[in-house]
Amino acid sequence: AQSVTQLDSHVSVSEGTPVLLRCNYSSSYSPSLFWYVQHPNKGLQLLLKYTSAATLVKGINGFEAEFKKSETSFHLTKPSAHMSDAAEYFCVVRMNTGFQKLVFGTGTRLLVSP
Amino acid sequence: NAGVTQTPKFRILKIGQSMTLQCTQDMNHNYMYWYRQDPGMGLKLIYYSVGAGITDKGEVPNGYNVSRSTTEDFPLRLELAAPSQTSVYFCASGRRRDGGTDTQYFGPGTRLTVL
Repeated sequence: AQSVTQLDSHVSVSEGTPVLLRCNYSSSYSPSLFWYVQHPNKGLQLLLKYTSAATLVKGINGFEAEFKKSETSFHLTKPSAHMSDAAEYFCVVRMNTGFQKLVFGTGTRLLVSP
Repeated sequence: NAGVTQTPKFRILKIGQSMTLQCTQDMNHNYMYWYRQDPGMGLKLIYYSVGAGITDKGEVPNGYNVSRSTTEDFPLRLELAAPSQTSVYFCASGRRRDGGTDTQYFGPGTRLTVL
């Protein structure tokens, strides 16, 4: 069975400092992995996705994530946080068999202080 | 392109009432989904559809029904609402590709409270 664990429920950073949101996955097959962002009272927006091409994936708004098979990780990073980055972030694994449903992590709330 | 739209944005129901959550997408996507998001949790799949006339259950289908008569619309029906159905409901759609779907695009959500 596939699953995803987001290691921190909350992360607090200051504006201008780096962001690291951690995600570990479990998968019996080669996974596809996604990061989605959810701003307050909004729907989910795709930040980036990994689908077995380059292991370093660049997304929107300066975010990137690196797929590390040996560590079963897909951590999300950004060099310099902006106030507008404050949101909930979801790491998602896609089952690559059958219907290929998405399995969501429980989310990490990113707080950015001035 | 409006993308995925959902109505209503908010709704309060009494126990035992019924309602339909509307979802429409204008991207000509074959695949459509309904999720619920409970506080502090990730999204759970309720139902999905791989095309007009074809639907199937997800992880948490009890208490819900769906239909898919057109490519664009995928309404979710709640019969006999219960407090356990208090949640935020998201509709999503995705393009068909070999072996399944590509990226899923989400609507803004419907916040439902059952009292």
